[in-house]
Amino acid sequence: ELKVEQNPLFLSMQEGKNYTIYCNYSTTSDRLYWYRQDPGKSLESLFVLLSNGAVKQEGRLMASLDTKARLSTLHITAAVHDLSATYFCAVDISGANNLFFGTGTRLTVIP
Amino acid sequence: NAGVTQTPKFRVLKTGQSMTLLCAQDMNHEYMYWYRQDPGMGLRLIHYSVGEGTTAKGEVPDGYNVSRLKKQNFLLGLESAAPSQTSVYFCASSYSDRDYYEQYFGPGTRLTVT
Repeated sequence: ELKVEQNPLFLSMQEGKNYTIYCNYSTTSDRLYWYRQDPGKSLESLFVLLSNGAVKQEGRLMASLDTKARLSTLHITAAVHDLSATYFCAVDISGANNLFFGTGTRLTVIP
Repeated sequence: NAGVTQTPKFRVLKTGQSMTLLCAQDMNHEYMYWYRQDPGMGLRLIHYSVGEGTTAKGEVPDGYNVSRLKKQNFLLGLESAAPSQTSVYFCASSYSDRDYYEQYFGPGTRLTVT
């Protein structure tokens, strides 16, 4: 059974600080996705990571993928209040045609 | 270009009632999905479709049926609603001609079963 685990589940951080969200998964996959969800809203795609060592950055967010360790990280640099949201990682496995989501990390950035 | 739309946005049902949720996408995607989202449990796949006329079960299919009669539409049906089906339902779609399955989500339907 595929498991996708995120750590931490809840994160409260002050503006200006750095932090990392971790996503571990239990089976071989070369593709990992990060999504953002604002309260009461839908999911928005942030990053698609397609190979081992892939790194993508957008503003204060940077995502990376280590397929050998089955680990992806979402690093937040100098957090601002606008980054408060729930972040989900998801993986797909060959032949499945769908994504398996983690339980999400609820991030709150405190002014 | 509306992307993925869902109808209705909110619905309250009584136990035993039936309803259909409609998902429509205008991106010509082959793949479409229905998820439910419950507090603390992330998104769980109910059913999905890899093309017009095809459907497949996901992680939590019991109590739901789906149909994909047209490429752009994916319907989720509840034949006899139960309180355990109170949830937020999201539809998503993705390309099939790429090497990855980045999904585009609709705005969600909040369903309450009393």
